[in-house]
Amino acid sequence: DVHLVESGGNLIQPGGSLRLSCAASGFPFSNYAMSWVRQAPGKGLEWVSTISDSGFSTFHADSVKGRFTISRHNSKNTLYLQMSSLSAEDTAVYYCAKGMTALSYFDYWGQGTLVTVSS
Amino acid sequence: DIQMTQSPSTLSASVGDRVTITCRASDSISTWLAWYQQKPGKAPKLLIQKASSLESRVPSRFSGSGSGTEFTLTISSLQPDDFATYYCQQYNSYWMFGQGTKVEIK
Repeated sequence: DVHLVESGGNLIQPGGSLRLSCAASGFPFSNYAMSWVRQAPGKGLEWVSTISDSGFSTFHADSVKGRFTISRHNSKNTLYLQMSSLSAEDTAVYYCAKGMTALSYFDYWGQGTLVTVSS
Repeated sequence: DIQMTQSPSTLSASVGDRVTITCRASDSISTWLAWYQQKPGKAPKLLIQKASSLESRVPSRFSGSGSGTEFTLTISSLQPDDFATYYCQQYNSYWMFGQGTKVEIK
């Protein structure tokens, strides 16, 4: 079974940095694109970032471009999201999601990790 | 950027009702559209991809149709487990979700 487990969410002050991780299992991690999607409290889903299977190609939403960096370590079956210059608008549950190809729907999702940006 | 607009935002229905949710894209996305179901406190679950392809283990009362800019998700006979929020997502050009449709008990 596919398993995605996010970690790293925390309460962080505005302007701070945080790194999220997503541990993957149950599928050949290095063969699939991976993404981060977030959901602010009481709001809808917002795509954040996507990385190709090799890690060569990355894509970020305009709202996080220049502040967030998606990466992966295929030998560790782990996806990362490095977040910096955080603001209250970044407060959300962050989900990692598995794609089929680099431009694809998301067929499996983790349970999410909460990032709260507040002083 | 391609914008996705769902309607209605909220839908009140009873068990056994036929329910239809509409999703419109601001530009043509062919059939590169997915539908997800999300329950409170849970991760989204993929229901349909490529506009009309039902995922395995998803009940056949769910169906999707459309192409270009207009799409629908239909639940043929609403069941108690179906009360949730539904999102469409285009993956033709980057990724964008609709704002969601909450299906609540009438």
